[in-house]
Amino acid sequence: KAGVTQTPRYLIKTRGQQVTLSCSPISGHRSVSWYQQTPGQGLQFLFEYFSETQRNKGNFPGRFSGRQFSNSRSEMNVSTLELGDSALYLCASSLPSISGANVLTFGAGSRLTVL
Amino acid sequence: AQKITQTQPGMFVQEKEAVTLDCTYDTSDQSYGLFWYKQPSSGEMIFLIYQGSYDEQNATEGRYSLNFQKARKSANLVISASQLGDSAMYFCAMRELNNAGNMLTFGGGTRLMVKP
Repeated sequence: KAGVTQTPRYLIKTRGQQVTLSCSPISGHRSVSWYQQTPGQGLQFLFEYFSETQRNKGNFPGRFSGRQFSNSRSEMNVSTLELGDSALYLCASSLPSISGANVLTFGAGSRLTVL
Repeated sequence: AQKITQTQPGMFVQEKEAVTLDCTYDTSDQSYGLFWYKQPSSGEMIFLIYQGSYDEQNATEGRYSLNFQKARKSANLVISASQLGDSAMYFCAMRELNNAGNMLTFGGGTRLMVKP
């Protein structure tokens, strides 16, 4: 079956612009999570959506937002881009269960460069 | 607050030998899950193995095994018979099960390099 699909894979923006990243989860997965990966801060949780509702949110400024559609596809948006937003943004999907063994399946990521 | 520590930024291992990647964690919860993921240079995170806090036996998945020592709060990954394709970043992660969600906390990672 198809994996988690993230688009675009690479993008370059300038400071002050905004960006929207898309994530299509595995069919049947209703939970979608977003993570930011940078060399300095490592992997940090941004937010999780389940059934179109934000279920968890990490410690990021309000410039970072997301949403989930009825087909479970998710988008994240970063407004007023800063140089420090340059990162690999990873999306992960999982089944609705929150049991311990519920595995997150990750996409290949969207690599954002802010100039 | 939960925390994952991976103390080995980088490691070398000879092809066909076994290697242990260290992971210690800190949590006040009794119910949690521990994961290991592999991240090749392509960027995608690949799930390797899972251990639940109440699992009495160490988890194994093919060449991967998890050395779980609950009292020491450690969950080391053992890769047997290393292959060149095992060269990648490896991340240990934890989910606290009292949290109504799928949020993972990751360690800083270990870069494993397999020598031919």
